[in-house]
Amino acid sequence: GAVVSQHPSWVICKSGTSVKIECRSLDFQATTMFWYRQFPKQSLMLMATSNEGSKATYEQGVEKDKFLINHASLTLSTLTVTSAHPEDSSFYICSAEHGGAYNEQFFGPGTRLTVL
Amino acid sequence: EDKVVQSPLSLVVHEGDTVTLNCSYEVTNFRSLLWYKQEKKAPTFLFMLTSSGIEKKSGRLSSILDKKELFSILNITATQTGDSAVYLCAVEAWNQGGKLIFGQGTELSVKP
Repeated sequence: GAVVSQHPSWVICKSGTSVKIECRSLDFQATTMFWYRQFPKQSLMLMATSNEGSKATYEQGVEKDKFLINHASLTLSTLTVTSAHPEDSSFYICSAEHGGAYNEQFFGPGTRLTVL
Repeated sequence: EDKVVQSPLSLVVHEGDTVTLNCSYEVTNFRSLLWYKQEKKAPTFLFMLTSSGIEKKSGRLSSILDKKELFSILNITATQTGDSAVYLCAVEAWNQGGKLIFGQGTELSVKP
């Protein structure tokens, strides 16, 4: 149980285009999902907290107009990187909070974005 | 500011060795500390620690938390090449909506 999927697993796009990444909790409902980015040889940095039915909460330094988050249902959150540039190339990972005593987070497999 | 510091940043050992990975933290309203293993893709959960002095064990891996000294260790005994990965430590505070603060990770390489 507690499986989280991401789609696509990798994407290559041209500079200036927008890319949408989906995060789904497959066998549980997640009121809260998180979006992280990870640069090579670095740790996970939280970008934003996605709450079903409300606006996402962005971490300091993350542009909300560039990284659009939509959490339209209890099993799906999307991250859209708008007008992508090469510096946006990174590994994007989502996690979904599983209900219970400790609200454990389960991570998706990640999406490798390369912007040319 | 809340922070998590792991050491060492990288480690190379031979199969059969025992390793100890360290994680120290500073966080207001500590709730839990978590260990993850990250290979090529996303992190996989290893342990969640909330109480001091209680060792959690899973096969050759074990972990313990010291809430007084604000650190945790992850032990791996009889290491195997499949243990090669980045090991991440993260902490969670109360009333932060589940937000995790990650350390830099320790890159472990186990040589045959």
